[in-house]
Amino acid sequence: EAGVTQSPTHLIKTRGQQATLRCSPISGHTSVYWYQQALGLGLQFLLWYDEGEERNRGNFPPRFSGRQFPNYSSELNVNALELEDSALYLCASSSGTGYSGNTIYFGEGSWLTVV
Amino acid sequence: SQQGEEDPQALSIQEGENATMNCSYKTSINNLQWYRQNSGRGLVHLILIRSNEREKHSGRLRVTLDTSKKSSSLLITASRAADTASYFCATDEGGSYIPTFGRGTSLIVHP
Repeated sequence: EAGVTQSPTHLIKTRGQQATLRCSPISGHTSVYWYQQALGLGLQFLLWYDEGEERNRGNFPPRFSGRQFPNYSSELNVNALELEDSALYLCASSSGTGYSGNTIYFGEGSWLTVV
Repeated sequence: SQQGEEDPQALSIQEGENATMNCSYKTSINNLQWYRQNSGRGLVHLILIRSNEREKHSGRLRVTLDTSKKSSSLLITASRAADTASYFCATDEGGSYIPTFGRGTSLIVHP
């Protein structure tokens, strides 16, 4: 069974540009989570999607947005990139609604570098 | 904001020794999970322990949970160089559907 897959693995963008990151959850999983992990820091929650709807978002500006498609895959968009957006972006999926009691499984992440 | 907090932030041991890392949290939980992250990679799920459990084992891993102290510990026995990684705990504090992570413990196992 395929795990959570993310693309691209690495992305280099210029300040002010837009970045799009993609995530395919494990088959049968309907919840997708996005986290940002800046170098040397813990995971900061960005967004949670379930059944195609945004259920919760973390303390990030509106230029961080995303969506979940009918096949439960998801994309994260970051507009007006800033240097401090450089980080590892991790996607995770879980079955059922929400995390409580369910294990979430992570992809390998997408490295975003803003220059 | 970080809820689960791991301690110590860094741990350096020799191969064959045991490694213990701790996680503390602030409010009630339904379950707590431990994850491992190799440098620059995704997180790998290690073990889940529910609030009504006190101890769980998986191979060389032993996790304990003390809800009265709001803390959990992860013990890796007979460590190997391949155990070198960062270890994170994740909680569902207050029944949240959003797993919250600490900053992790960086473990280095010297061969």
